[in-house]
Amino acid sequence: GESVGLHLPTLSVQEGDNSIINCAYSNSASDYFIWYKQESGKGPQFIIDIRSNMDKRQGQRVTVLLNKTVKHLSLQIAATQPGDSAVYFCAENEGDYKLSFGAGTTVTVRA
Amino acid sequence: DAGVIQSPRHEVTEMGQEVTLRCKPISGHDYLFWYRQTMMRGLELLIYFNNNVPIDDSGMPEDRFSAKMPNASFSTLKIQPSEPRDSAVYFCASSLEWAYGYTFGSGTRLTVV
Repeated sequence: GESVGLHLPTLSVQEGDNSIINCAYSNSASDYFIWYKQESGKGPQFIIDIRSNMDKRQGQRVTVLLNKTVKHLSLQIAATQPGDSAVYFCAENEGDYKLSFGAGTTVTVRA
Repeated sequence: DAGVIQSPRHEVTEMGQEVTLRCKPISGHDYLFWYRQTMMRGLELLIYFNNNVPIDDSGMPEDRFSAKMPNASFSTLKIQPSEPRDSAVYFCASSLEWAYGYTFGSGTRLTVV
């Protein structure tokens, strides 16, 4: 079946810099995407979502961009903080409330 | 709201033993999902329920795995007999009918020795 994948498995960022995490998806019929953050020993935590009728959505310090033409999703974190160190997953809706998760990108913030 | 509550947090069992994982979804959520997370395979959907009814169990790996949701506030995932390859973190998540974003529990780390 089709799957969601991430371009880079790890990302090291200087504190205060902006982070960009990328995700490629292959199911052109997917209409809903979510970014999750998972800290060590915890479950994935919802960050931000976007529907396919949008190309950008902003939250607090985070922005998600969707490019349906190339089936690409990105998460931008502004002014990265130590607390942003975690694994970030993109997920797409396969229909019937089933989410397919990518492999995850580990973000490490350097002080 | 206390969120999605899973128990136990950690479980160590011997191969061949029965293991039961428990989940209490957020009150009012109509959907409940069981996921398994491993380093090799990432997050995999095992089964999900809508209004206590199993909708899709195609992700359940073998007949050794079974899940039930006897009421809107409780679900179990059972493995019988357990095997070392079942070692993983098992997550339960719930969501409202009209909202796609799931809320995950803290997970149960299962180790089968």
